[in-house]
Amino acid sequence: GQSLEQPSEVTAVEGAIVQINCTYQTSGFYGLSWYQQHDGGAPTFLSYNALDGLEETGRFSSFLSRSDSYGYLLLQELQMKDSASYFCALNRDDKIIFGKGTRLHILP
Amino acid sequence: EPEVTQTPSHQVTQMGQEVILRCVPISNHLYFYWYRQILGQKVEFLVSFYNNEISEKSEIFDDQFSVERPDGSNFTLKIRSTKLEDSAMYFCASSGTGGTGELFFGEGSRLTVL
Repeated sequence: GQSLEQPSEVTAVEGAIVQINCTYQTSGFYGLSWYQQHDGGAPTFLSYNALDGLEETGRFSSFLSRSDSYGYLLLQELQMKDSASYFCALNRDDKIIFGKGTRLHILP
Repeated sequence: EPEVTQTPSHQVTQMGQEVILRCVPISNHLYFYWYRQILGQKVEFLVSFYNNEISEKSEIFDDQFSVERPDGSNFTLKIRSTKLEDSAMYFCASSGTGGTGELFFGEGSRLTVL
């Protein structure tokens, strides 16, 4: 089977940088994705790492290390609108499996 | 911008009744998915669908669930005999590249079973 672990909650200050970690167990996968979900909304795609290393998309970056079964999402210059839940997800053949999500709280 | 649309946005039903949730995926996508999310919990995979058949399903997707692509645009999830624990938000998603890429989610259908 597959499993993903991420912290349930993280708190950071507006303007700061925050890192959300994700560790996983799986027998094989294409890559690791990250999704954002605001309260009452649908998950929206943020980033995808097929290869080891860092992917940067504006204020968001994502990292993958297959040898360590580990990835993270880095959010820079935090804004209040970044308050949301963030899910890492394993991309496999015919399904994408989500972690339990990390609730990000941002303090002014 | 193309989007996934779902109907209804909210459905209330009595336990034991049948429910059909409808989705219109993005038109040139070939991979379709249903997920559900119980309030405050994780997004759970139910089923994936490709080339007019189920590709994979989770242990949640038991005999009371079925999916169909009745025409070239719609993708439906049927729950035959609803239970209280089926109350959740059901998300449809589509992808142009299957497991290697981005999922585009609809806004969800909230199902409340009384």
